[in-house]
This record gives sequence, C-alpha cells and structure tokens, in this order.
Amino acid sequence: QSVLTQPPSVSAAPGQKVTISCSGSTSNIGNNYVSWYQQFPGTAPKLLIYDNDKRPSGIPDRFSGSKSGTSATLGITGLQTGDEADYYCGTWDTSLSSGMFGGGTKLTVL
Amino acid sequence: QVQLVESGGGVVQPGKSLRLSCAVSGFTFSAFAIHWVRQAPGKGLEWVAVRSYDGYTKNYADSVKGRFTISRDKSKNSVSLQMNSLRVEDTAIYYCARAITSRTLSFDYWGPGTLVTVSS
Repeated sequence: QSVLTQPPSVSAAPGQKVTISCSGSTSNIGNNYVSWYQQFPGTAPKLLIYDNDKRPSGIPDRFSGSKSGTSATLGITGLQTGDEADYYCGTWDTSLSSGMFGGGTKLTVL
Repeated sequence: QVQLVESGGGVVQPGKSLRLSCAVSGFTFSAFAIHWVRQAPGKGLEWVAVRSYDGYTKNYADSVKGRFTISRDKSKNSVSLQMNSLRVEDTAIYYCARAITSRTLSFDYWGPGTLVTVSS
C-alpha cells in the first residue's frame, strides 16, 4: 500500500465540483512540493498541478491544487465526462530519499 | 519538441537481467533530472529511480534498491535502467519522465513507456 493515501474513487455529476485528497506525513507532503497527474487507460500520465498549486501551460483553470500541513487536495470544477480518469498525487520523501505516488483515485462523472 | 522514448522492454525469466534506455531530445539534457516510473498491469504508479541533472546523485525505491542501476550518458542524451535479478513483481510498463525541478515528482514530459514482463 502507498505511503500517500488517496480515496480509491470519487464521483460527481457533470458541471459539479469534486475534490481528491492526498494524505501523507511531515517527511513527504509536509516538507516537499506536491504534483497531481491525470491518466487515461493505456496512456502516460499527464501533469495537472506542480509545486502544490501551479498549473502547467495548457491546463485549464478548472483544475486547482492546494496543500495544508501533511495533506494536499486536487480540485476540479465544471466537471465534464472527459474528466473521467485516474488521478495521482506525487511528492518526494526527504527521509527515504525517494519519490512516491498515492494509490490513485478513479473519478467517475455520473 | 521535447521527446522521451523508452526502449529495451520485453519478456524475461525471473532472475535474469534487462536494460532499458530512455532517449531524450528537444531540450538541454544536462539541465533536467530524468526519473523512471513504473505501472504494473491494472495498478497505480510506482516511482522507481532518479539520476540528478548533473549525474552525481542516484536514488532508488526500496523495492529495487540493490538490483536496479540508473545511469546517464551525456554523449547519447540518454538515461538507462539496468535491471538485475528480476522478479515477477517487476512486471510493469516502465516510463521515463523529465522533472521540472529537483526533489519533486513534477514530470512535465513522459515517454510512451516500454513493457517489461517477467515470467517463466
């Protein structure tokens, strides 16, 4: 099981907002930047958020990130059926000197 | 444009070795750390290893430490992952990815991945 804890699944209706949590510890989320990824089946992950709350060029502002203490949150507003995918958080762990991902959250847009 | 392309995947027996390569282009190779990330069939992402942008620092996941070695070849703009003593649980798609900043998992570009299957 992953050191970073994400809910296995979340769901919401089109047009609504959803949040995905990522819980860790002081040695990882607490003292390092968090990134978020979107992955569709059969494709490589895509960076949505980096450095806790920054969006790469081309990522719509419907996607947002935040961090507080040892937890981080990905928010998605104006949900679309095309947002149905797996979402992962990732960060560095200073104590382990290794990277780590959360277990992933499957988003269903009902 | 920025590109990363993995190669070297295939089917291998448990206990054997395999070497993966990640060829990069479209950016200054020496300015970015390159990581390896894997994903077992139907499972989540697992971080594997990183070689720092300057090539001096190597870090590994506990699950591969002592068996895998990551290296950089500046002359070929490539990063390799030498995988020894392979186990069935190493079966996965292996991706290489470019990190925006050090000591983060902020990967802005990924390769398409190469499949490694460890089976007798």
